[in-house]
Amino acid sequence: ETGVTQTPRHLVMGMTNKKSLKCEQHLGHNAMYWYKQSAKKPLELMFVYNFKEQTENNSVPSRFSPECPNSSHLFLHLHTLQPEDSALYLCASSQEVGGDEKLFFGSGTQLSVL
Amino acid sequence: GENVEQHPSTLSVQEGDSAVIKCTYSDSASNYFPWYKQELGKRPQLIIDIRSNVGEKKDQRIAVTLNKTAKHFSLHITETQPEDSAVYFCAAARAHRDDKIIFGKGTRLHILP
Repeated sequence: ETGVTQTPRHLVMGMTNKKSLKCEQHLGHNAMYWYKQSAKKPLELMFVYNFKEQTENNSVPSRFSPECPNSSHLFLHLHTLQPEDSALYLCASSQEVGGDEKLFFGSGTQLSVL
Repeated sequence: GENVEQHPSTLSVQEGDSAVIKCTYSDSASNYFPWYKQELGKRPQLIIDIRSNVGEKKDQRIAVTLNKTAKHFSLHITETQPEDSAVYFCAAARAHRDDKIIFGKGTRLHILP
């Protein structure tokens, strides 16, 4: 599959569970992002990786732990989440990091925390 | 930092009519303004963007206008069709390596038959 692929599409977890979200991009991009999309809120940038190095952590709680083993793969490890963390988590990539870079999004993981 | 306000949050228009979505931004240094469309259950996709060196850009039925003085920009969709039903996000950024895109809250557009 081309583009940006995210798994799983849906995830239900309890507050004490540990789970991981996976993102893979097949576009040869150097930058990858995690966004949180909640109802009636702007898309919130969580993390930015450029050439596997984290360049931005937008004051995200430590219960969210990103991992970028290479430029094509990005993970978001989840641990002891809260119900308010329920949202659509979108991965994106771009050729480079920059304000005017076109973002290519994945289809997202719809997360429900019980 | 940059703040992007988007209005309205919901918009319903009759098929064939025009739709306009408006955004304002706070950082006068912002010079890049993309619009993303997210259909129900699908990923957001860039549909059009404009840079601050032009006041208007068109691509078939969609157009974006920019007023730098007033710090607002708008998306115009003419001859709306059912497939235009989606959530539209405006955004603003500085075209700089270290900058990031700031999104508005989105507008849910319904095209009525």
